[in-house]
Amino acid sequence: ETGVTQTPRHLVMGMTNKKSLKCEQHLGHNAMYWYKQSAKKPLELMFVYNFKEQTENNSVPSRFSPECPNSSHLFLHLHTLQPEDSALYLCASTPYDGDTQYFGPGTRLTVL
Amino acid sequence: AQSVTQPDIHITVSEGASLELRCNYSYGATPYLFWYVQSPGQGLQLLLKYFSGDTLVQGIKGFEAEFKRSQSSFNLRKPSVHWSDAAEYFCAVATSASKIIFGSGTRLSIRP
Repeated sequence: ETGVTQTPRHLVMGMTNKKSLKCEQHLGHNAMYWYKQSAKKPLELMFVYNFKEQTENNSVPSRFSPECPNSSHLFLHLHTLQPEDSALYLCASTPYDGDTQYFGPGTRLTVL
Repeated sequence: AQSVTQPDIHITVSEGASLELRCNYSYGATPYLFWYVQSPGQGLQLLLKYFSGDTLVQGIKGFEAEFKRSQSSFNLRKPSVHWSDAAEYFCAVATSASKIIFGSGTRLSIRP
C-alpha cells in the first residue's frame, strides 16, 4: 500500500463515545499533520508532529488528543465530542517540515 | 498576519473553455505557494507549487499558475477544461516551517 491512508473513512459517534482516527504514511516522511475541514470554512491546521514530537497545537480543545508513536503513524483520539466537531479530518505528511504536503483521503466524522 | 484569499467561491465554465482561478496572498517576503485540488470525498492532491525561479509554473493535468509579486497573486489557469476537472481548488501559502495557510477554496463546476 502506498501514500497516506486513513481509517476509518466514515465514523458516526455519540457525544459520550471514545473513538480514535488512524493515519499511516508509507512515504518515509518525518512530519505529519492533522487538519479539520468543515463546510464553508478554510482548512484548519490542528496538530503538527516532527520526528514523533509535537511541534504545533493550534489551540485545539482537549477533547482531541493526538498521538504519534513513530514517524509513520498518527492517531487522533476523540472523547466527549460536540456536534460542531462533525467534519472531515485530514491527515497529511511531508518529507520534512514545511515542504509539499501529501494528504490522506480523510475520515468523515459525524457527532450525534 | 499572513493570509490567503480566494475571492471566487463557485465558478462554472463550459467544457472546453479556458479557466482562471484567482488567489491572492498577504506576506512580507516571497512565500512558498501551492495549488491543491480536492475531489468529493477525497483528500487534497497537489497540482503545482512555486518556491523560486521561473514565475510560470507547470503542474499536473494541464494546469499552470503564474506568480506575480507586484500583485501578490498566484492564479491558476488551464486553457481547456474537461468535465473531470470539476472539484474544489485550494490555494495555499507556506511562510515558514509548518505554517501552511489554505484559502477557503473555489468550487469549480463544468457545464456540458
